[in-house]
Amino acid sequence: SAVISQKPSRDICQRGTSLTIQCQVDSQVTMMFWYRQQPGQSLTLIATANQGSEATYESGFVIDKFPISRPNLTFSTLTVSNMSPEDSSIYLCSVDHGSGTKTQYFGPGTRLLVL
Amino acid sequence: EDKVVQSPLSLVVHEGDTVTLNCSYEVTNFRSLLWYKQEKKAPTFLFMLTSSGIEKKSGRLSSILDKKELFSILNITATQTGDSAVYLCASAGGTSYGKLTFGQGTILTVHP
Repeated sequence: SAVISQKPSRDICQRGTSLTIQCQVDSQVTMMFWYRQQPGQSLTLIATANQGSEATYESGFVIDKFPISRPNLTFSTLTVSNMSPEDSSIYLCSVDHGSGTKTQYFGPGTRLLVL
Repeated sequence: EDKVVQSPLSLVVHEGDTVTLNCSYEVTNFRSLLWYKQEKKAPTFLFMLTSSGIEKKSGRLSSILDKKELFSILNITATQTGDSAVYLCASAGGTSYGKLTFGQGTILTVHP
């Protein structure tokens, strides 16, 4: 499996500010994904981070609110912009790894609290 | 819209019990069904199932997929307190390649 790290592991932010979350993988991967898990909820895909092109966003998520960068095959960032308390969640990056039908592995997550 | 439903939503057992967790799915362009264990933040991968009727095992955990009836089960035998966690079922498919649609999760609590 791939080894995935995320920074920061947690943060407390003021409303109206922005936070950038980093995701680093120990090997080159084609697909990287960003998920959100709101309190008491399951995981929801925000977007797919594509290397060399714009991210692909799921319904209900927009680039202005969640800009994503993917400068190479081992790294991606997700920014949560103009935060409000409703953005308090765990944010997780994941990667497709393996051959054939790929398995998706998750990073350790970033727990965000917006006051 | 793709949908994954897990049952029960929560389960409380004692050490040594056997539990069965259920997952049903309705996903277009189905590719695979995955099970994860989530204890704090990060879901930990357990199994990926792509073929019907083939049981996958890892220690006390096992899982099987029925593609005709669109469901999967996760069995845990001789449960231990360390098995206490949220168990997530997810289906890969839909129109976005790589997208996982997650169920609500089953909260398993194992008492000594």
